[in-house]
Amino acid sequence: EDQVTQSPEALRLQEGESSSLNCSYTVSGLRGLFWYRQDPGKGPEFLFTLYSAGEEKEKERLKATLTKKESFLHITAPKPEDSATYLCAVSNAGGTSYGKLTFGQGTILTVHP
Amino acid sequence: DGGITQSPKYLFRKEGQNVTLSCEQNLNHDAMYWYRQDPGQGLRLIYYSQIVNDFQKGDIAEGYSVSREKKESFPLTVTSAQKNPTAFYLCASSTLGGLFSSYNEQFFGPGTRLTVL
Repeated sequence: EDQVTQSPEALRLQEGESSSLNCSYTVSGLRGLFWYRQDPGKGPEFLFTLYSAGEEKEKERLKATLTKKESFLHITAPKPEDSATYLCAVSNAGGTSYGKLTFGQGTILTVHP
Repeated sequence: DGGITQSPKYLFRKEGQNVTLSCEQNLNHDAMYWYRQDPGQGLRLIYYSQIVNDFQKGDIAEGYSVSREKKESFPLTVTSAQKNPTAFYLCASSTLGGLFSSYNEQFFGPGTRLTVL
């Protein structure tokens, strides 16, 4: 059974204080690892897809990295508008699970001015 | 604009009542999905469909039903058999890609918040 665990559950930062969010996963065959951002009361917004260990992707102040067991979302010099819940999900390469995503519980990020 | 729409944004259900949540997409995606989100928990898959007139149960399908009569539409019915339906419901869609393709990012609608009175 695929499993995704995110840590910490909540993270409070001062504006400009860089940090990282962790996503540990167990999957029999990784098709892709996905990061989403979710604002309160809204649907998740797609950020990144990572396919293989060693891959990195960047978008503004966010950088996502992938190893064989975990992914990190690095936030450099965050601003208050980066405050949101960040969700990690994995897709299994198994045929019967095609397209299905398994989500972690999310990390609630709060950035204080 | 291309995207996914869900309606209504808020829905209230009385005990013993069936309610239907709407999901429409104009992204020309083949696959559509329904998730349930509870406070402090990740998204859990209810049903998904990869092609018109076909759908599969997800991890928590009991008490729910779906139909896929058109590529653009994937309505979800929350039946009276669902004992704890209060939650935030999210619809998503994606392309399928080929058998060995990794490309299946899911894009989400704005959600429907269902409350049982």
